[in-house]
Amino acid sequence: EADIYQTPRYLVIGTGKKITLECSQTMGHDKMYWYQQDPGMELHLIHYSYGVNSTEKGDLSSESTVSRIRTEHFPLTLESARPSHTSQYLCASREKGIKGNSPLHFGNGTRLTVT
Amino acid sequence: RKEVEQDPGPFNVPEGATVAFNCTYSNSASQSFFWYRQDCRKEPKLLMSVYSSGNEDGRFTAQLNRASQYISLLIRDSKLSDSATYLCVVNPDPYNQGGKLIFGQGTELSVKP
Repeated sequence: EADIYQTPRYLVIGTGKKITLECSQTMGHDKMYWYQQDPGMELHLIHYSYGVNSTEKGDLSSESTVSRIRTEHFPLTLESARPSHTSQYLCASREKGIKGNSPLHFGNGTRLTVT
Repeated sequence: RKEVEQDPGPFNVPEGATVAFNCTYSNSASQSFFWYRQDCRKEPKLLMSVYSSGNEDGRFTAQLNRASQYISLLIRDSKLSDSATYLCVVNPDPYNQGGKLIFGQGTELSVKP
């Protein structure tokens, strides 16, 4: 069983607030990811990291930022939340593997609602 | 053309039916492939990796066809609990230098009594 944790599980917050979504994994995985998914829709990669001090933007333009100061921790921050940020945010990690054949392990997600 | 495309759903099948999903990928250098299952409002969970020679796990069989650039998932004797969205995932990087995995849009399966 994968050990990757996201908090909070649910968050309802007003427009303009700064929020940080937490993601931690205890498996020592070097690669970590943030995905955004609206109900019934595709997953969209918004950020990823190859390892400590390495972060990249994903395919979906996002107003969020991430940091990777420690291997196990990959928080996502929204400086000023807007209703358009309402969505589910999924964190995932995987080990380097051989020829990239290691699968993704997902946290159980943060469901964000911005009012 | 999308990098990874799946059969559009939903698939509505009776219990006990056999159902197959296909997923095509555009990058011929892709090396690793996975099927994930996602229940409504939950996170995706790994169903199985797809190996070059094909592989089976109970009622589930995954196949890879490199020549035609597609993978498939076969579910035999489908159960009500198989109802979910099935996601095809491809690693397009043959050297494992990058980190991005590409997700298909998902195929929804609904198994009816």
